[in-house]
Amino acid sequence: QSVLTQPPSVSGAPGQRVTISCTGSSSNIGAGYDVHWYQQLPGTAPKLLIYGNSNRPSGVPDRFSGSKSGTSASLAITGLQAEDEADYYCQSYDSSLSGFWVFGGGTKLTVL
Amino acid sequence: EVQLVESGGGLVQPGGSLRLSCAASGFTVSSNYMSWVRQAPGKGLEWVSVIYSGGSTYYADSVKGRFTISRHNSKNTLYLQMNSLRAEDTAVYYCARTLKRYFDLWGRGTLVTVSS
Repeated sequence: QSVLTQPPSVSGAPGQRVTISCTGSSSNIGAGYDVHWYQQLPGTAPKLLIYGNSNRPSGVPDRFSGSKSGTSASLAITGLQAEDEADYYCQSYDSSLSGFWVFGGGTKLTVL
Repeated sequence: EVQLVESGGGLVQPGGSLRLSCAASGFTVSSNYMSWVRQAPGKGLEWVSVIYSGGSTYYADSVKGRFTISRHNSKNTLYLQMNSLRAEDTAVYYCARTLKRYFDLWGRGTLVTVSS
């Protein structure tokens, strides 16, 4: 059971917009810690997609955007493309005793 | 080129030991926070351990007392010594450069299988 909660799967047609939610608690996202997002293409290592809630590393298309509010965060992908099909993970920091760096369970994005 | 390359994974019996290595290039391991993150087959990501630039180390409860993170500064390499391995430790282990609260650079990973 992951500390952060994500939907197991989302899907969308090419060109559409999809969002992936990430829900935490008062010891992580709600405590003010930033949310970060990673993309894991099939058979590869995770790659940083969004950091500090809404910032994109160099090379990440502006089709990807992030936001945070209260104890939740969201990743939005617009203009969906076939190569976006991957697993997406949110991550934050947790101040509880069993905390430190915590992840969501991951969301499988299927491009129809 | 800035990269991380893990090695040392393999098949080990329950109760056995294994040492993973992560060779860094393009930056200095000792000047950064460095972490190990694992992913069990078909499962999500789990943070395992971190070593701060100052040398402090921290572990997830699931590995505390069994795993030890360290680094060799002149070799620019990160290590994870894993003892008393269990079936539930079976996973791909990634090393990752840790920028305060997130992981900005990941290696390709090395697979550890704990089975008799």
